[in-house]
Amino acid sequence: DAGVTQSPTHLIKTRGQQVTLRCSPISGHKSVSWYQQVLGQGPQFIFQYYEKEERGRGNFPDRFSARQFPNYSSELNVNALLLGDSALYLCASSLGLGAGIAAGYTFGSGTRLTVV
Amino acid sequence: DQQVKQNSPSLSVQEGRISILNCDYTNSMFDYFLWYKKYPAEGPTFLISISSIKDKNEDGRFTVFLNKSAKHLSLHIVPSQPGDSAVYFCAARPSGTYKYIFGTGTRLKVLA
Repeated sequence: DAGVTQSPTHLIKTRGQQVTLRCSPISGHKSVSWYQQVLGQGPQFIFQYYEKEERGRGNFPDRFSARQFPNYSSELNVNALLLGDSALYLCASSLGLGAGIAAGYTFGSGTRLTVV
Repeated sequence: DQQVKQNSPSLSVQEGRISILNCDYTNSMFDYFLWYKKYPAEGPTFLISISSIKDKNEDGRFTVFLNKSAKHLSLHIVPSQPGDSAVYFCAARPSGTYKYIFGTGTRLKVLA
């Protein structure tokens, strides 16, 4: 059974460019969350989507946006990239908003974004 | 404003001994606390959780203790094994939300 899959695994972009990261949740999971992990820090919450609707947003600028598709996969878009956007972007899935809270999320391996 | 803090960036323990990882938090409105383990080039893996209405939860070699009055959380690993060497994150969920706030992590090294 496939886990959470993210693509691409690594990406190098230039300042000012735009990037799209993709995530496929575990089969049957309807909620997808995005986290940013900067080197030496813990993951920081960006977005949560459930049933194609945004259910939570972290303290990130409007350059960050996301969406969820009918098959529950998700994309994270970042516009006008800055050097500080260089990070590991993690996608996590769960059955529902609060379902399985005691079991936490299941994370993908992440997309390593480098902005030069 | 770091609401979840892991003040020890690293910890080394001999194989077979107890590993104790600590986490402090400032927000009394957290209702769930979780521990994740992360190996290089992998996403975090869920280890164990505890509800704010409990003070202890145990799962095999892993036990999490919650001291709400001190706003302190700890993870005990007994006995520690070399395969436990990883970065450990504690995370807390603000009540009424579906997001987690993570600490900065503690790198555990278990020496054979």
